[in-house]
Amino acid sequence: NAGVTQTPKFQVLKTGQSMTLQCAQDMNHNSMYWYRQDPGMGLRLIYYSASEGTTDKGEVPNGYNVSRLNKREFSLRLESAAPSQTSVYFCASRADRERGNQPQHFGDGTRLSIL
Amino acid sequence: GQSLEQPSEVTAVEGAIVQINCTYQTSGFYGLSWYQQHDGGAPTFLSYNALDGLEETGRFSSFLSRSDSYGYLLLQELQMKDSASYFCASSGDSSYKLIFGSGTRLLVRP
Repeated sequence: NAGVTQTPKFQVLKTGQSMTLQCAQDMNHNSMYWYRQDPGMGLRLIYYSASEGTTDKGEVPNGYNVSRLNKREFSLRLESAAPSQTSVYFCASRADRERGNQPQHFGDGTRLSIL
Repeated sequence: GQSLEQPSEVTAVEGAIVQINCTYQTSGFYGLSWYQQHDGGAPTFLSYNALDGLEETGRFSSFLSRSDSYGYLLLQELQMKDSASYFCASSGDSSYKLIFGSGTRLLVRP
């Protein structure tokens, strides 16, 4: 039972390069999320998908795009990477569409450095 | 907008009790959650309060007062492994979203 799987775990990019971070969950969850976490900071919501076929902006969506490919997969794309996007990126999923008491399950993170 | 405020650091002694506070301002409210994150790890869910009062889960308890826009996480019988960052989180204008506070780093000393 893998839970939430993120790939890659580490990546170094040059400014201006593009990249897609992959996330897949095997728990049949409806909602999926992308966060970034800067050193010593909390998690900031980039985008989320309440259900297959829908995506919405979070707190810090600029510079990112997402795709909810199917119920299992939710990818995050950086079209033109900038040093300010150096961060740890976490993907998460949650079971129910509307119940706040359902916990979010997180992947292990992708550590992204942009030079 | 939404914001959740927590102390940045708390230090306590092994075996003691510690309380981590969280005050929030949100345009809507669907409950307050707590997550734990060890250094280099992923956040893991600890507790959730939708209604006022205390929720207990083993050594951890969480409290909510909606009229005061305030909650806390109580950790009892502290162990060294409890050294971690603790985040409160709330859904604001959408029940699907979860917005996190900046986290409280707990250091447990022998």
